[in-house]
Amino acid sequence: DAGVTQSPTHLIKTRGQQVTLRCSPISGHKSVSWYQQVLGQGPQFIFQYYEKEERGRGNFPDRFSARQFPNYSSELNVNALLLGDSALYLCASILEDTMNTEAFFGQGTRLTVV
Amino acid sequence: GENVEQHPSTLSVQEGDSAVIKCTYSDSASNYFPWYKQELGKRPQLIIDIRSNVGEKKDQRIAVTLNKTAKHFSLHITETQPEDSAVYFCAATSLSGGSYIPTFGRGTSLIVHP
Repeated sequence: DAGVTQSPTHLIKTRGQQVTLRCSPISGHKSVSWYQQVLGQGPQFIFQYYEKEERGRGNFPDRFSARQFPNYSSELNVNALLLGDSALYLCASILEDTMNTEAFFGQGTRLTVV
Repeated sequence: GENVEQHPSTLSVQEGDSAVIKCTYSDSASNYFPWYKQELGKRPQLIIDIRSNVGEKKDQRIAVTLNKTAKHFSLHITETQPEDSAVYFCAATSLSGGSYIPTFGRGTSLIVHP
């Protein structure tokens, strides 16, 4: 899984600010998913994109948005940051949007909101 | 939507003992059940998976069993070693809004004492 890269690795923001997280999937993978992992919990699904189209959205407020670019990289945007947005944000790269496809995770972006 | 329960939240064993982690899911349409291992500060990585047409799958010291009727699946690790210490997540993949989305359990922190 050498190709799943996320940037930045760590980020500190102030309440009310906006943040953009970036993800580059494995070469050839067309689908990217975003997850929020709060300390001590499993990854919570935020968005899934396939071929630049949003295919799924989890139970997150409209402050969260994302997009996928023609090269299949993706950005996750969070507006009006709250303290509770502090978490590890994981990007997963998936070859195809099928039932049995393995998700390859990036190292994540650790977001701290103060 | 899918709901995945995972137990126990923490599991402490002696080196050489076996460890069992159990998960239940709610959506009978889920057909793919991956298990991920997340070491401290690292990304989740797939260690084994099982599809709905199979009842059991083994890979060296790791095995997974699936009971579709009861909607539960389990991870079994035999002859545990200190390097098995990590957080383990189960997931159940179901079709949601036209896309295949894995729903994760809350995780089990496995501690293997030398």
